[in-house]
Amino acid sequence: SAVISQKPSRDICQRGTSLTIQCQVDSQVTMMFWYRQQPGQSLTLIATANQGSEATYESGFVIDKFPISRPNLTFSTLTVSNMSPEDSSIYLCSVEEAYFGTGGSDEQFFGPGTRLTVL
Amino acid sequence: SQELEQSPQSLIVQEGKNLTINCTSSKTLYGLYWYKQKYGEGLIFLMMLQKGGEEKSHEKITAKLDEKKQQSSLHITASQPSHAGIYLCGADIGSGTYKYIFGTGTRLKVLA
Repeated sequence: SAVISQKPSRDICQRGTSLTIQCQVDSQVTMMFWYRQQPGQSLTLIATANQGSEATYESGFVIDKFPISRPNLTFSTLTVSNMSPEDSSIYLCSVEEAYFGTGGSDEQFFGPGTRLTVL
Repeated sequence: SQELEQSPQSLIVQEGKNLTINCTSSKTLYGLYWYKQKYGEGLIFLMMLQKGGEEKSHEKITAKLDEKKQQSSLHITASQPSHAGIYLCGADIGSGTYKYIFGTGTRLKVLA
């Protein structure tokens, strides 16, 4: 199973600044995802980040606000740009591994999350 | 409106009791995922269901996906305090492309 680490684990930032969140996986994975969980709301997918191609953003999320890098199969970054208090949230990265064979199915793993507070 | 309805929103049960959490969608679910979230421990993947009528079990937790692939239930038998946390269902509703949506979660408390 994949082990995922995220940095920073939490941060308090000023309005208008940017924060880059790092996600490191201990194995090579194809699919990486970035999620946001705002207080009292369900988990929301921001974008899918595949190595070697542009990230695919979900409706309501744009690259200028949430630029993503995926330089290799074990690492990705998400930047939250020009932050406002509405960006206060937990940001999670996730990977999906596919298991093939009898009854093979995909399995998802999540990082510990980055708790962001914007003042 | 929420595309993935989860119920109940919160649940308090006595240790040893059984309980069920439901997850319903108006769309076909191409993959239904159950997660557990404990504060400070991150989100934990429990099970994935893909086929209509599929049922999977892990220890005392059983998850089922109905034949129409629009509803799933998570059943915990003989609940324990260690089962406490937030249970979240998530689903892939994209046909051929990844489109994940999530329910709002069910907060479970188990009284010893």
